[in-house]
Amino acid sequence: NAGVMQNPRHLVRRRGQEARLRCSPMKGHSHVYWYRQLPEEGLKFMVYLQKENIIDESGMPKERFSAEFPKEGPSILRIQQVVRGDSAAYFCASSPLRTNTEAFFGQGTRLTVV
Amino acid sequence: GESVGLHLPTLSVQEGDNSIINCAYSNSASDYFIWYKQESGKGPQFIIDIRSNMDKRQGQRVTVLLNKTVKHLSLQIAATQPGDSAVYFCAENPGTDSWGKLQFGAGTQVVVTP
Repeated sequence: NAGVMQNPRHLVRRRGQEARLRCSPMKGHSHVYWYRQLPEEGLKFMVYLQKENIIDESGMPKERFSAEFPKEGPSILRIQQVVRGDSAAYFCASSPLRTNTEAFFGQGTRLTVV
Repeated sequence: GESVGLHLPTLSVQEGDNSIINCAYSNSASDYFIWYKQESGKGPQFIIDIRSNMDKRQGQRVTVLLNKTVKHLSLQIAATQPGDSAVYFCAENPGTDSWGKLQFGAGTQVVVTP
């Protein structure tokens, strides 16, 4: 059973470009969570999704950021018109249920904006 | 060795000694707590969790203690090994309906010396 798969592992974008980060949850998991981690800091919640639904996006910046989890395929975190401050590690986690259970994180995508 | 969250972000411990990592959480309504280990360049790895109706839980070489009165969480690692070198994060579920909104602490860097 493969773990949470994120790709790409590293992504370099110029200012103004778009970044697309992908997350495939563990098999059988229908709940996906995105977190952002700035250097030397803890993870900050961004958004919680189920298939075809955004459940909680209270941690998402109001502009340029969007997330989806389609019926088929991976969850996508999209950042439009990236700026240097978007440089961070973005982690995805998945769980099977909407309860307090052990959740599994992917290895992250490290976004660098130049 | 003993760490107190943000005031001592790096904990140096000799191989074979016990480690104690402390964490102060913020929300008295939090009902679920997790310790994660993050090695350089990797995603957070689940270590152990505890629910608010417990005050102690043991795993393999690790023990988590919860003191709800003072909102304090600790992770004890017995017989620390070089492979334990990593950043350790405590995370709390702030008692909302969604697991996903975990709040992470800033982390403690543990360095195991021979």
